[in-house]
Amino acid sequence: QSALTQPASVSGSPGQSITISCTGTSSDVGGYDYVSWYQQHPGKAPKLMIYDVNNRPSGVSNRFSGSKSANTASLTISGLQAEDEADYYCSSYTSSTTRVFGGGTKLTVL
Amino acid sequence: EVQLVQSGAEVKKPGESLKISCKGSGYSFTGYWIGWVRQMPGKGLEWMGIIYPGDSETRYSPSFQGQVTISADKSITTAYLQWNSLKASDSAIYFCASQYGEWGCWGQGTLVTVSS
Repeated sequence: QSALTQPASVSGSPGQSITISCTGTSSDVGGYDYVSWYQQHPGKAPKLMIYDVNNRPSGVSNRFSGSKSANTASLTISGLQAEDEADYYCSSYTSSTTRVFGGGTKLTVL
Repeated sequence: EVQLVQSGAEVKKPGESLKISCKGSGYSFTGYWIGWVRQMPGKGLEWMGIIYPGDSETRYSPSFQGQVTISADKSITTAYLQWNSLKASDSAIYFCASQYGEWGCWGQGTLVTVSS
């Protein structure tokens, strides 16, 4: 199975909104509502930000939201803050075996 | 408190064997899948495989099938990732994660360095 496709980098200024896309196929993103998003700061373990396409775990800011259309899922961060600067990964359930990650997107807050 | 605690960093030589661990606590260990994730230096996350500790059903991602062995001992709520013959390209940080909390519970990571 191939990794899901994410942009390598995105950037935005404090207070702005950004969206990160995650494109897969009908065998993963498009076939199931089991897309998650993770935030990873350098040297840290990934942190779950969104699960099942658009659900936030307890404690995650409502500035983070998720959506999906066909084979593409998206993570939107509104009101960008300096601490949002990190790597972001999408992950999806797949029909073949386990799960698959996207290649990761580096978010820079200008 | 729900926790996954991984074993410490390892330095090995090519060809050596290795088994790293991930101990779960604070939840029903046997009722949720445990997964292993590789992160090579400066690279992204890769799902390696998952195991259901309740019955040890295991599924591997194609890239890792035959390269590693995932196991679990439910009596001590611990999952394992094992190599029979390490290669330099196995140098990476390895994370375990639990399906508990929708795969929101992660271990702290184990750094594996393979060098002659």
